[in-house]
Amino acid sequence: AQTVTQSQPEMSVQEAETVTLSCTYDTSESDYYLFWYKQPPSRQMILVIRQEAYKQQNATENRFSVNFQKAAKSFSLKISDSQLGDAAMYFCAYRSRDYGGSQGNLIFGKGTKLSVKP
Amino acid sequence: KAGVTQTPRYLIKTRGQQVTLSCSPISGHRSVSWYQQTPGQGLQFLFEYFSETQRNKGNFPGRFSGRQFSNSRSEMNVSTLELGDSALYLCASSLAENYEQYFGPGTRLTVT
Repeated sequence: AQTVTQSQPEMSVQEAETVTLSCTYDTSESDYYLFWYKQPPSRQMILVIRQEAYKQQNATENRFSVNFQKAAKSFSLKISDSQLGDAAMYFCAYRSRDYGGSQGNLIFGKGTKLSVKP
Repeated sequence: KAGVTQTPRYLIKTRGQQVTLSCSPISGHRSVSWYQQTPGQGLQFLFEYFSETQRNKGNFPGRFSGRQFSNSRSEMNVSTLELGDSALYLCASSLAENYEQYFGPGTRLTVT
C-alpha cells in the first residue's frame, strides 16, 4: 500500500522569504501523480500544484515549485516570496495512474501547518 | 464556472440517527469522490463514483454508503451515527480519470 509522510507538523516563514515543505512517499508503482493541496482556515481545499511521475521536469506554478526526486521518493514544495495569504495547512497527496476507468483515490499526508509572520 | 458545492455546510446529529450529505460537482465533471477529515486520522478516502457507478471504496464500515445520480450529483449516507463519525466530510469532483480533483467546502458533521 502507498503511504505519504510529511515530517514537519508545523513550519513558520517570514513574509517575502522562501520556505520548503517536505514530503516523502512509498510506492511500488512507477506511474503516478503527486499533488500539493492547501487548506486555509476556511477549510476549502485548493490544488496548488501537480506533478506527473513520468515527467522529469519539476512543476512550477507562479511562486510555487516542487523538487521531485523519483528515486528518493521525495516531493518537496517551495514557496517563494511568501505572503500572508499562504498561511494554511499544506497536504501532500499521492494518486495512482489507473487506466482501468477508475479515478483512484488520493492518499494524503498528515499535513504541515504553515504560519507566515509579517 | 461554479465550484463544487456541498450541502448542508454544518450538521448536528445525535448518536443512532442517520444523515445524508449532498455534493454537486463542477459542471461537466463526472467523477465524485468523498473524503473524511478528522484531527486524529487526517484525510481518509471513503468512495468514488463515476457515471453513477461506484469505482472505488475505502476502508469504512457498511454504515457509510453513497450514490451518484445521472446529473453527476452525489449523496453520501451514514446510518446509525457514532460519536467517532464527527468529522469534516469533503467531496471532490473531477472531469474524468487522471484529471485533478477539485474540492468543495465540506460538511461539518457533529454527532452528540
